[in-house]
Amino acid sequence: DTGVSQDPRHKITKRGQNVTFRCDPISEHNRLYWYRQTLGQGPEFLTYFQNEAQLEKSRLLSDRFSAERPKGSFSTLEIQRTEQGDSAMYLCASRPGTGEADTQYFGPGTRLTVL
Amino acid sequence: GQNIDQPTEMTATEGAIVQINCTYQTSGFNGLFWYQQHAGEAPTFLSYNVLDGLEEKGRFSSFLSRSKGYSYLLLKELQMKDSASYLCAVMDSNYQLIWGAGTKLIIKP
Repeated sequence: DTGVSQDPRHKITKRGQNVTFRCDPISEHNRLYWYRQTLGQGPEFLTYFQNEAQLEKSRLLSDRFSAERPKGSFSTLEIQRTEQGDSAMYLCASRPGTGEADTQYFGPGTRLTVL
Repeated sequence: GQNIDQPTEMTATEGAIVQINCTYQTSGFNGLFWYQQHAGEAPTFLSYNVLDGLEEKGRFSSFLSRSKGYSYLLLKELQMKDSASYLCAVMDSNYQLIWGAGTKLIIKP
């Protein structure tokens, strides 16, 4: 257990529905990342927060995806009008802001299945 | 473009030694990470190299050559629990991690 938690751990939804995932980072970490991972691939970067500011968003991320970190603590990732291609593991990671190359610590992930 | 290459799958015997290679081409370099990922679980941090040379941590060691764009992860005294995927990731000039697809390591008795 790294101290990063994600909820839910599993989500099954029908195509076209909206889903929201939550990530609680390690409390003293001010940087938070969202990734998506499919079978046999490494994590794919989605977006990144420093405190409450969303500093970067992948060009691959469609407008159906949105993320927030309103108080600089927990974060939510919402996918609107889900598609079967959205089925993946959604990973959240956090790291302290003291050093640029600090290690990222991952949560257990949310596995999304879109039927 | 940015690219991380590592073998898709390797097989080794319990008690033996295995070396997993990673080559990279990225826009800038601010360190290389190795993560272990068991099936269905999140990646867990193993090692970080930013200077050339070997970093040893128990049964695991990681080597870096920045001039060659090359790293390896060395696992000694393999145990069945080491069966997992091993992910190589490079931090680029923007301090973002560029990930390889991972190497699935299968340990046989």
